[in-house]
Amino acid sequence: NAGVTQTPKFQVLKTGQSMTLQCAQDMNHNSMYWYRQDPGMGLRLIYYSASEGTTDKGEVPNGYNVSRLNKREFSLRLESAAPSQTSVYFCASELQGAGYGYTFGSGTRLTVV
Amino acid sequence: KQEVTQIPAALSVPEGENLVLNCSFTDSAIYNLQWFRQDPGKGLTSLLLIQSSQREQTSGRLNASLDKSSGRSTLYIAASQPGDSATYLCAANAGNMLTFGGGTRLMVKP
Repeated sequence: NAGVTQTPKFQVLKTGQSMTLQCAQDMNHNSMYWYRQDPGMGLRLIYYSASEGTTDKGEVPNGYNVSRLNKREFSLRLESAAPSQTSVYFCASELQGAGYGYTFGSGTRLTVV
Repeated sequence: KQEVTQIPAALSVPEGENLVLNCSFTDSAIYNLQWFRQDPGKGLTSLLLIQSSQREQTSGRLNASLDKSSGRSTLYIAASQPGDSATYLCAANAGNMLTFGGGTRLMVKP
C-alpha cells in the first residue's frame, strides 16, 4: 500500500544509547517531516526537509539529528537518548503545492529508561 | 507564532447526534487547514483538507468549514456513530510547518 512507513514501531532504550528512526514514503512527495507527540503538548515539529538535500530545524530540534538520504527516505537520529525523549514519533510527507495535505506514518513509540 | 486551539477538549454524545468541533488559529496567513482523526495508539488519518481559498469541504457525513479572516474552522459530523469515537485534530499549514491544535476527544455512546 502506498504511504509512509516507519520502523521500528516500538523501542525501549537506556539513557545514553543511540538509535535511528527510519521513515520512507513511496508517493514521490518532496517534503518530509518528523513530529513528536506528548500528552498535554500535542504534536510538535522536530525537523523537516523541504526537498532532497535540505533539512531545517522545527520547534523542538535539540537532541536530534536528521538525514534526508534520498527523496524517499528521511531518518531521525537520537545520539544520546534521554528520558525526556520518551514520546511517540511520527513521520509525515507532503507534495508541496499540490494541495493534498500531509500523509502520516503509523508512528514509533519510544521509551527511554 | 501560529497557535491553534480546539474546543471542546472532550465531548461525549449519544449515538445519532449531529455535532460540531471547533478549531481556531491566530495567524490567518495559512495555505490550508487539515482535519485528522487519531484512534488510541494509532497514527493520524487525514479526513478533510480545506485550501485557504475555499469555504468548505465535504466527505460523507463530515463537513469542514473555514473562515480565514476570523481564524476559525469547524468540523461538522452528522448522525454520529460509535465508530466515530476518536480524537480529532485540526492543523494549520503556513508553509513548511503544520501547527496542530490539542485535539477534541470524542466519545459516541450507543
